Amino acid sequence: AQTVTQSQPEMSVQEAETVTLSCTYDTSESNYYLFWYKQPPSRQMILVIRQEAYKQQNATENRFSVNFQKAAKSFSLKISDSQLGDTAMYFCAFRPGAGSYQLTFGKGTKLSVIP
Amino acid sequence: GAGVSQTPSNKVTEKGKYVELRCDPISGHTALYWYRQSLGQGPEFLIYFQGTGAADDSGLPNDRFFAVRPEGSVSTLKIQRTERGDSAVYLCASSLLGLGGDEQFFGPGTRLTVL
Repeated sequence: AQTVTQSQPEMSVQEAETVTLSCTYDTSESNYYLFWYKQPPSRQMILVIRQEAYKQQNATENRFSVNFQKAAKSFSLKISDSQLGDTAMYFCAFRPGAGSYQLTFGKGTKLSVIP
Repeated sequence: GAGVSQTPSNKVTEKGKYVELRCDPISGHTALYWYRQSLGQGPEFLIYFQGTGAADDSGLPNDRFFAVRPEGSVSTLKIQRTERGDSAVYLCASSLLGLGGDEQFFGPGTRLTVL
């Protein structure tokens, strides 16, 4: 079974600054996918970024980038130029490359962007 | 449709009652997932449909929970003899093919409160 750990229940960042959210996972799978989802107060989960484990290059989506360390089983999210609209819960999630296609989520990090 | 929709958005019921929660996935998406999110936690997988059949129901907590997707589109999650511990937000997601890297698009959830 897979586990996903987010060790920072809450974080805050000044508007326009950079913040990094941590995520570690445990798996015996060799092929898998990692995701960061954002959940604002409206409850709708929105995909922020996705990483395929067999790709060494870190994924980037505009102001969002990841630091994927496969050997360390670490998958952190960096948000640059933080904006007020980034305030939300952020969940790290794991999905095997084959077999069961369920997402396994961490407990989340509540990010507050301060004006 | 434009996105995944779920009805009702909120449901309050009494202990022991039966409830049905509905999910309308994105048109053309063959894979559909149900998750349950308790307060302060990340979503937890309940069941996954590929087409009309339940491909993985390993997350259903007990036999009071049942889900159907008779025509491969709309799905209904049914909970019998509700208990206070069933109170949570029930999230539905859909993806195009159900492959490992497919993005799962989430609905806004149904908040179930069992009194």
